[in-house]
Amino acid sequence: EAGVAQSPRYKIIEKRQSVAFWCNPISGHATLYWYQQILGQGPKLLIQFQNNGVVDDSQLPKDRFSAERLKGVDSTLKIQPAKLEDSAVYLCASSLRDSATDTQYFGPGTRLTVL
Amino acid sequence: AQSVSQHNHHVILSEAASLELGCNYSYGGTVNLFWYVQYPGQHLQLLLKYFSGDPLVKGIKGFEAEFIKSKFSFNLRKPSVQWSDTAEYFCAVNGFGNEKLTFGTGTRLTIIP
Repeated sequence: EAGVAQSPRYKIIEKRQSVAFWCNPISGHATLYWYQQILGQGPKLLIQFQNNGVVDDSQLPKDRFSAERLKGVDSTLKIQPAKLEDSAVYLCASSLRDSATDTQYFGPGTRLTVL
Repeated sequence: AQSVSQHNHHVILSEAASLELGCNYSYGGTVNLFWYVQYPGQHLQLLLKYFSGDPLVKGIKGFEAEFIKSKFSFNLRKPSVQWSDTAEYFCAVNGFGNEKLTFGTGTRLTIIP
């Protein structure tokens, strides 16, 4: 079974530039998550999708971050414009259902460096 | 708001030593508890989880964790560690009414051969 795919794996940009990350979840998984993991911290949920609808985006900085999952499969997370404090690993995860007990399967992450 | 504390930031052990990593959580309702592991160069993956039943949960690779409700704890244990257990370990919690998974800051485990 193929895992969660993410691209790119690494990205270096200057502040005020824009960047986009892509995620393809495990086939058949209805729920998709984007997390931000800053160095030395645990992952923090940015947004959760159930199929193509948003379940929770309470921790997404909506003035600069946006995300979409148009066909209920793959997803894109965008930052525009980027700030120095956005330097982090951005993790995508998926689970079969929208259930608190479901296992979340994580992708390899995209390491973003903002200069 | 729910939160998770992992007080051990970096643990160094010799092979065959016993392991216990602490995890304490703050949540007012029914909880689900998870331990995730990230081996060097690999993805975060589930080690074990608890959501009901026997409070002693067994996971992959000989790991186990015990849910002690009165202490708000879910410590991870392994009787004899191996070099291949070198990794970062994250405790996480969610629960009824707040299904968002909240992670601790992680514990880096280094096993010396």
